[in-house]
Amino acid sequence: DQQVKQNSPSLSVQEGRISILNCDYTNSMFDYFLWYKKYPAEGPTFLISISSIKDKNEDGRFTVFLNKSAKHLSLHIVPSQPGDSAVYFCAATPRANRDDKIIFGKGTRLHILP
Amino acid sequence: DSGVTQTPKHLITATGQRVTLRCSPRSGDLSVYWYQQSLDQGLQFLIQYYNGEERAKGNILERFSAQQFPDLHSELNLSSLELGDSALYFCASSVTSRGMRGGYTFGSGTRLTVV
Repeated sequence: DQQVKQNSPSLSVQEGRISILNCDYTNSMFDYFLWYKKYPAEGPTFLISISSIKDKNEDGRFTVFLNKSAKHLSLHIVPSQPGDSAVYFCAATPRANRDDKIIFGKGTRLHILP
Repeated sequence: DSGVTQTPKHLITATGQRVTLRCSPRSGDLSVYWYQQSLDQGLQFLIQYYNGEERAKGNILERFSAQQFPDLHSELNLSSLELGDSALYFCASSVTSRGMRGGYTFGSGTRLTVV
C-alpha cells in the first residue's frame, strides 16, 4: 500500500522554465511533508518541508504547495537550472507519536534540458 | 560529506550468505534509521533506533536485524540473502526520535548485490 504516491517517474523541463513535481498521499494522519533531492551515488538530501497547518512554504527557487482537501502537494522550482537534474522524493510523516518514521514516495527523476 | 558514514560502499555476495552494513550517525544525533531502495521502488523504511533502543519497525524481513551500540553507531545484519535483497541500503540520522522537522541526514548508502 503506497501511502505517498509520485505518479510521474520522470519529467523533462527546459532550463529557465518552471519545474512542477507532484505528489499525492492517502493517509489523513500525515501532518508534515518533505521533499528530498538525490543525486546518483549520493544519499537523499533534505530540500524543503511544509507543515499541515500551512498551504505554502518558499525557500529561494523552491516552493512547496499543500492542498489538504485533495491530499496533494507539489514542488515548484523556478527557474530550473542544470544542477536541479536529480531524483526528487516526496515524503510525509504521521501526526505526533512515538513512531516518527518518514514515508517516502518512489521518486520523480527530473531532467533539465539545455 | 553529510556527516553520516556508511560502510562498505559496495558489497557483492552470494545467495545464502550473511552481511553486515555499518552506519555512524552524524555527531550529536541519537536516532538512526535504515531504509532500503530497490529498483523502481522508493525508500522503504526498515527500522529506527534511538539511543540504543528500537523505536519503530517497518517492512523489515525476519532475516534482517539491526542494533545500535553505546557509541551510537548502528549495524544492519542481512542473512540468508536472496537475489531480491539486492538494493541500496541507506542509513539516516537525526538529533532526537522526533527531531526530524528539518529532515533526516542520509549517508551515501551501501549498494548490495547478491549473485
